[in-house]
Amino acid sequence: SQTIHQWPATLVQPVGSPLSLECTVEGTSNPNLYWYRQAAGRGLQLLFYSIGIDQISSEVPQNLSASRPQDRQFILSSKKLLLSDSGFYLCAWSWQGEQYFGPGTRLTVT
Amino acid sequence: TQLLEQSPQFLSIQEGENLTVYCNSSSVFSSLQWYRQEPGEGPVLLVTVVTGGEVKKLKRLTFQFGDARKDSSLHITAAQPGDTGLYLCAGAPKTSYDKVIFGPGTSLSVIP
Repeated sequence: SQTIHQWPATLVQPVGSPLSLECTVEGTSNPNLYWYRQAAGRGLQLLFYSIGIDQISSEVPQNLSASRPQDRQFILSSKKLLLSDSGFYLCAWSWQGEQYFGPGTRLTVT
Repeated sequence: TQLLEQSPQFLSIQEGENLTVYCNSSSVFSSLQWYRQEPGEGPVLLVTVVTGGEVKKLKRLTFQFGDARKDSSLHITAAQPGDTGLYLCAGAPKTSYDKVIFGPGTSLSVIP
């Protein structure tokens, strides 16, 4: 069966510091991968999606970037965090439109 | 730009009551999914509907896809506190499964 992992689970970072969130998927090959951000209790904002290694589409211009160095690894990064980057970050893989989410990372920028 | 709207935005009901939440769009979708999310966790897929007019039941939850595949509803019978959560609908555009569009969600609170 497929599983998706995210780490860290929670993170508190000062403004201006770098960021690296990691997502890995097991049990499937060449998945479509996604990064979302969610404000408290609300819907999902698509940040990046990838259909293959080094194939990444950005949906929202901002100070975040994504990379996919391996088939089942997806990384979200920032060189300098802003206060507005705080939120709940979710990674997901999909199959025929159905999305399967990781447990999420709660990021607080102070 | 394809958008999904959900209503109501917030819903607070007593245990045992019935409720319906709605997901609407002006666009046609090849499929539509419903997810439930509990605080601090990722959304969990409840159901996928594909055919216009389709009705699917999952215990006390009934999902319907509109005939024109532009809208959907979720009906919960005899709501329980365990049904509390954020309900999200999401649609796959006709042209591609790559980008799924999410609605803003309905936050449901079932009071014991």
